[in-house]
Amino acid sequence: DVQLVQSGAELKKPGESLKISCQVSGYTFTNYWIGWLRQMPGRGLEWMGVIYPSDSDTTYSPSFQGQVTISADKSISTAYLQWNSLKASDTAIYYCARRDSSLALAFDHWGQGTLVTVSS
Amino acid sequence: SYELTQPLSVSVSLGQTARITCDGYNLGSKDVHWYQQKAGQAPLLVIYSNRYRPSEIPARFSGSKSANTATLTITRAQAGDEADYHCQVWDTSTGVFGGGTKLTVL
Repeated sequence: DVQLVQSGAELKKPGESLKISCQVSGYTFTNYWIGWLRQMPGRGLEWMGVIYPSDSDTTYSPSFQGQVTISADKSISTAYLQWNSLKASDTAIYYCARRDSSLALAFDHWGQGTLVTVSS
Repeated sequence: SYELTQPLSVSVSLGQTARITCDGYNLGSKDVHWYQQKAGQAPLLVIYSNRYRPSEIPARFSGSKSANTATLTITRAQAGDEADYHCQVWDTSTGVFGGGTKLTVL
């Protein structure tokens, strides 16, 4: 079975750095793009960017370019989302999801989400 | 930037048909995907490429599209269908989501 398992909830202070993870299993990690998506409290989904783990080719949403870094480690089938300096407005649930080119680039499998809370 | 517009909420009586719309300019040229998100859960793909269902999704869920509007139709609505529904497209390599529609089953 395809699974995407994300790291646990985080409570951070403004200005701190953070790296959350998404470990996949049940398929070949390097054959599919992985996306990261944000959902702020009570709001809809926002696409942040995608990475192709085979060569780390990455595309960012203009809204998130320069604000976060997406990376991947092929050796442990894990994708990452990283901040250098968190803001209170980064408080949200973050999801990773597999993008399937055979399904017209739909996100067909999702992680359980990581709640990031940024508060002083 | 490209935008998708969904109604904030839709209500349907138990056993009746719910229709959730997603409006976008020139939507006819794009593949529309629909995700169901129940309270406290991660999204679940229910329709991809306008009208195709993943194998685990019941046939009560269907999708259609015209020039500027995509529609998710849920027939014989059940209490378990109560959720937020999000439409999504790709616009020049950028992922775009609608604001989401809360479906209430009365």
